[in-house]
Amino acid sequence: DQQVKQNSPSLSVQEGRISILNCDYTNSMFDYFLWYKKYPAEGPTFLISISSIKDKNEDGRFTVFLNKSAKHLSLHIVPSQPGDSAVYFCAAYSAGGTSYGKLTFGQGTILTVHP
Amino acid sequence: DTAVSQTPKYLVTQMGNDKSIKCEQNLGHDTMYWYKQDSKKFLKIMFSYNNKELIINETVPNRFSPKSPDKAHLNLHINSLELGDSAVYFCASSQGGVLINEQFFGPGTRLTVL
Repeated sequence: DQQVKQNSPSLSVQEGRISILNCDYTNSMFDYFLWYKKYPAEGPTFLISISSIKDKNEDGRFTVFLNKSAKHLSLHIVPSQPGDSAVYFCAAYSAGGTSYGKLTFGQGTILTVHP
Repeated sequence: DTAVSQTPKYLVTQMGNDKSIKCEQNLGHDTMYWYKQDSKKFLKIMFSYNNKELIINETVPNRFSPKSPDKAHLNLHINSLELGDSAVYFCASSQGGVLINEQFFGPGTRLTVL
């Protein structure tokens, strides 16, 4: 049972436009969410995160939105650049209990930004 | 000055063999992890060590045994390799604690079992 899902395997966007990557989760205990970016033959690298007490977090061109009632989060990249082409993973975490950094990942969305 | 390094990067072996993957981090973190990325691309946690102590042990076959000789190293030993073990294995580290902190990942080890 996959608790974090990224239902779009891929997304293609023109340079300069907005990229919107979506993520849904089922576990209401999740209270912290992260986005990771992965280039081929490299490990994932942290991009941006959001706590469940917020509904928006912004860092430069990257903004993450959280809709707790819908159990949905999205990553917006504006403007998109060719260097943003990568696989994007959504991850979720529950601070309750004794889970030391136990992240649950989605299966990733391949973003391609065309010049 | 790689933050999290793994060796080897590629590993091709026969079924039934025993193999190890090594991981080292030079970030001074106290928590290290092993993840498996399967053919469906999901990244799933296998183990986590905090200050050399096992704190997360997911439902992983006993053939997989992590070993942490010190805070900077977390090795993964796999006995009696099976075809289904073929995957990319990622090591990661973070400054641990109750609150989540950013995890830094290694480049991955692609294991192919023939």
